[in-house]
Amino acid sequence: LAKTTQPISMDSYEGQEVNITCSHNNIATNDYITWYQQFPSQGPRFIIQGYKTKVTNEVASLFIPADRKSSTLSLPRVSLSDTAVYYCLVGWVTDKLIFGTGTRLQVFP
Amino acid sequence: DAGVTQSPTHLIKTRGQHVTLRCSPISGHKSVSWYQQVLGQGPQFIFQYYEKEERGRGNFPDRFSARQFPNYSSELNVNALLLGDSALYLCASSPPDSASYEQYFGPGTRLTVT
Repeated sequence: LAKTTQPISMDSYEGQEVNITCSHNNIATNDYITWYQQFPSQGPRFIIQGYKTKVTNEVASLFIPADRKSSTLSLPRVSLSDTAVYYCLVGWVTDKLIFGTGTRLQVFP
Repeated sequence: DAGVTQSPTHLIKTRGQHVTLRCSPISGHKSVSWYQQVLGQGPQFIFQYYEKEERGRGNFPDRFSARQFPNYSSELNVNALLLGDSALYLCASSPPDSASYEQYFGPGTRLTVT
């Protein structure tokens, strides 16, 4: 499974757009890129998944360049409730999920 | 629809004891995975079961074992508990024939070993 690298922490203010970039230089052809969100003392929650280009849902957008060696999770107009740890994962659908240490996002009022 | 449920929510055990954690997947989901999350780290994969068979095992000692029942619920057993086993144990289920990498996590069981 491809190893991922993401910032340990990020700070933002309410209403701002937050972009969290993840590097995955060794991503394999079959690998998907998936992002999870986790609040303290809760299980992770699926946010978004993509293979290439851009994916958007009601929560976030995922931007993936042509070489797929990185990806960016974009959270529009964050609120205090978006304070959480965000994990970037790469792998194929039948693989176990491999979590790194994630990015701790702190949103301030 | 009910999400993934886990029991108990909290548990305190003594070193050397045995513990059993339980998980009920979302209705219709046949795959169950277990993860261990130590404070400050991401979840670490322990086991995955599909249709009652072990499909994957993480880098955990043989003290950890699991099984899946005909109704797709699952148990995680840990023998000879160590202080280092203190963690949040997460169960996740995923639908059959899923084209997505999405797993649905339960709230976890907080295990404290003293």
